[in-house]
Amino acid sequence: GESVGLHLPTLSVQEGDNSIINCAYSNSASDYFIWYKQESGKGPQFIIDIRSNMDKRQGQRVTVLLNKTVKHLSLQIAATQPGDSAVYFCAENGGSSYKLIFGSGTRLLVRP
Amino acid sequence: GAGVSQSPSNKVTEKGKDVELRCDPISGHTALYWYRQRLGQGLEFLIYFQGNSAPDKSGLPSDRFSAERTGESVSTLTIQRTQQEDSAVYLCASSARSGQGTGELFFGEGSRLTVL
Repeated sequence: GESVGLHLPTLSVQEGDNSIINCAYSNSASDYFIWYKQESGKGPQFIIDIRSNMDKRQGQRVTVLLNKTVKHLSLQIAATQPGDSAVYFCAENGGSSYKLIFGSGTRLLVRP
Repeated sequence: GAGVSQSPSNKVTEKGKDVELRCDPISGHTALYWYRQRLGQGLEFLIYFQGNSAPDKSGLPSDRFSAERTGESVSTLTIQRTQQEDSAVYLCASSARSGQGTGELFFGEGSRLTVL
């Protein structure tokens, strides 16, 4: 079936550095993408989303980039902090008006 | 409540028993979702409710799985004759949007099911 995959299952960064988490999606019908953060023992928490009519969207310390040509999505976290340590999931809607298809996640470890 | 509430938070059961997992969505949210998350993996879509109707049940793994929603509020996910492969965290999410694009899903903390 359709799937969203991630290049790096684990990413280790130094506190204060910038982090980049990558994601490849497969469904060209997807027009909505979203990043979630999941801390241990908790449910996923919304970080930022982007629609296909945009290439870039910025939030507080986070930026999402969308390259529709190569079906690639990335999440950039500026000045990574220990509290950013978590598993990050990208998700696409596959053209659906209601469903999200999640990838397998990338674990971000922040070294003090 | 302020967020999505799920119960029980942990459930250990014996193979072959039935289990019920409950979700209380955010008040006023018309859309409700169940996802399954196996250890170290992503979220697997199970079912979507719009109001009390379930227009998409395509993710339910087998006929042992069923779900209902009443009063456009509480939802129950039932797993009959549990198997060891049913062991996972079952996550519920709700959303205020209705057919206008997915929007943000608000997740509960999940119900961890262990089948011995």
